[in-house]
Amino acid sequence: NAGVTQTPKFQVLKTGQSMTLQCAQDMNHNSMYWYRQDPGMGLRLIYYSASEGTTDKGEVPNGYNVSRLNKREFSLRLESAAPSQTSVYFCASRMTGLDYGYTFGSGTRLTVV
Amino acid sequence: ELKVEQNPLFLSMQEGKNYTIYCNYSTTSDRLYWYRQDPGKSLESLFVLLSNGAVKQEGRLMASLDTKARLSTLHITAAVHDLSATYFCAVGGNKLVFGAGTILRVKS
Repeated sequence: NAGVTQTPKFQVLKTGQSMTLQCAQDMNHNSMYWYRQDPGMGLRLIYYSASEGTTDKGEVPNGYNVSRLNKREFSLRLESAAPSQTSVYFCASRMTGLDYGYTFGSGTRLTVV
Repeated sequence: ELKVEQNPLFLSMQEGKNYTIYCNYSTTSDRLYWYRQDPGKSLESLFVLLSNGAVKQEGRLMASLDTKARLSTLHITAAVHDLSATYFCAVGGNKLVFGAGTILRVKS
């Protein structure tokens, strides 16, 4: 059981470059999420997808786009990276329903110089 | 807008002592989560609390929920070094809102 798999694990970008962070889950979960983690601020929701074919903004969506490619995969794209997007990015998934928790990926550490 | 506040943000404990981390949230929610994060690692689920008065225990950690006070506590009993980590509470249904985290250091 791989759970939630994120690629890449580390990335350094120059300001203005673009890139896509990939996330895949093998648990047949309906909902998928992208969070960013910055020191002292906990995790903040960027975008989420409640089900295949739907996406919605979270708390900090500016500068990002997402694609729910299918039930398994949810990608996060930075079109023009900025130093303020230096962060650790976590993908998560869950099966909707009262008792189900979230499963988090191992994270992508992104540095924008 | 849902806001989640944890305190303390940093906790240095002696082994064998007890302490409590507090998590307050601003609006009614149907579930509350506690997570543990080791440095450079992902988040590990500790507890899911679903109803008023819920109490869950795992080893030296016990979590409780008071929905009327909008307060959850994570109680640490007889701390050991292995409990050193950052602990987050998170509140919400479809969209989790996290607290800033409590960095716990247990000193031998």
